[in-house]
Amino acid sequence: DTEVTQTPKHLVMGMTNKKSLKCEQHMGHRAMYWYKQKAKKPPELMFVYSYEKLSINESVPSRFSPECPNSSLLNLHLHALQPEDSALYLCASSPYRGSHTGELFFGEGSRLTVL
Amino acid sequence: AQKVTQAQTEISVVEKEDVTLDCVYETRDTTYYLFWYKQPPSGELVFLIRRNSFDEQNEISGRYSWNFQKSTSSFNFTITASQVVDSAVYFCALYSGGYNKLIFGAGTRLAVHP
Repeated sequence: DTEVTQTPKHLVMGMTNKKSLKCEQHMGHRAMYWYKQKAKKPPELMFVYSYEKLSINESVPSRFSPECPNSSLLNLHLHALQPEDSALYLCASSPYRGSHTGELFFGEGSRLTVL
Repeated sequence: AQKVTQAQTEISVVEKEDVTLDCVYETRDTTYYLFWYKQPPSGELVFLIRRNSFDEQNEISGRYSWNFQKSTSSFNFTITASQVVDSAVYFCALYSGGYNKLIFGAGTRLAVHP
């Protein structure tokens, strides 16, 4: 079982809806990541939080709003999305930012469909 | 520039065949790390291996083996006696401190048929 838990596993939303994706880890990791993965493509980095502070935003549109309430939780708030935002959203964690000398621990993802 | 190329988009084999997944990388950094991840249909990426640029020793883990060659900038992955459970998308990835980001290749979809 993955140690990074993402909810919901599937989400269908309209373009005017507001929804949130949640991610939780209890490994004591201090860096958490959001990736977006389109079908048959590799994951693309969206945001990195390090010690609960946003450290990287890969020029993501403002309709995606990340939040890190504490060291174990990471949210991605969604508002006014477009159909092209439909994708698998993956959360990951690592002991600390820049610790790619180790590995990232990924959740199973939340599959988002925007109608 | 940092780049990872996985030229094989899809590979189809019959169970028990050996299969090699190719990975070629580009970086100007002298210190870097290479990874292989497996993505089964369930979606999560599963870490398989990490190699740093100073360790060219090949590694074997059960049916999996990795061949790291700096001279050709390659980090190939071989599955011996493939099984249906090996069916997944496999990503090669590169990380170096200068770029501070994990760069994924496009992935290779492996289908192992009974």
